[in-house]
Amino acid sequence: EPEVTQTPSHQVTQMGQEVILRCVPISNHLYFYWYRQILGQKVEFLVSFYNNEISEKSEIFDDQFSVERPDGSNFTLKIRSTKLEDSAMYFCASSEAWGGEGTGELFFGEGSRLTVL
Amino acid sequence: AQKITQTQPGMFVQEKEAVTLDCTYDTSDQSYGLFWYKQPSSGEMIFLIYQGSYDEQNATEGRYSLNFQKARKSANLVISASQLGDSAMYFCAMREHAMDSSYKLIFGSGTRLLVRP
Repeated sequence: EPEVTQTPSHQVTQMGQEVILRCVPISNHLYFYWYRQILGQKVEFLVSFYNNEISEKSEIFDDQFSVERPDGSNFTLKIRSTKLEDSAMYFCASSEAWGGEGTGELFFGEGSRLTVL
Repeated sequence: AQKITQTQPGMFVQEKEAVTLDCTYDTSDQSYGLFWYKQPSSGEMIFLIYQGSYDEQNATEGRYSLNFQKARKSANLVISASQLGDSAMYFCAMREHAMDSSYKLIFGSGTRLLVRP
């Protein structure tokens, strides 16, 4: 069964360092997303990406964050200068377009846990 | 205003019994989708069930069913014949279909379910 894969599963970094989280969405999906879950809290939307550009972003997604689809398969989230409060689980997700067959369900990766010291 | 409200931070259920996890939502859209995801302690997000706003019948997927009451804006998850492996965090989520929406999901705060042997 096709799945979304994320690397690394866990990354520890020093405050102020740059971090890149990588994702390989399901190959025939068109929408890509990053979500964040601070420990013990709900899952929060960060950004959605469609047709090689950001289609929507939340207030959390400030200038320190960026996303890229560098080649046709990877989808990356970069945090330019990490802060302590960036410590969280980051989930990548992908979905087909709405309509047609299927629910447009988001398929999530297993997450990348980021710890900022 | 909260878009998705899960009022039960934690629930207990005896193994083999049924349990209902509550979810209410707030939207002015006519077309929307409601989802339930399971998050075990390992952290991944597992899709359980989907209900479209125009679906006249309640969704069912194996032991999971969704009690959809559109007028009351509720979408409660019913798990029948609970198993020990059902112990996890459960998130209700909604996708609105507004023109400026990128099909992102908005999550509730979750309900932690513990199944007792």
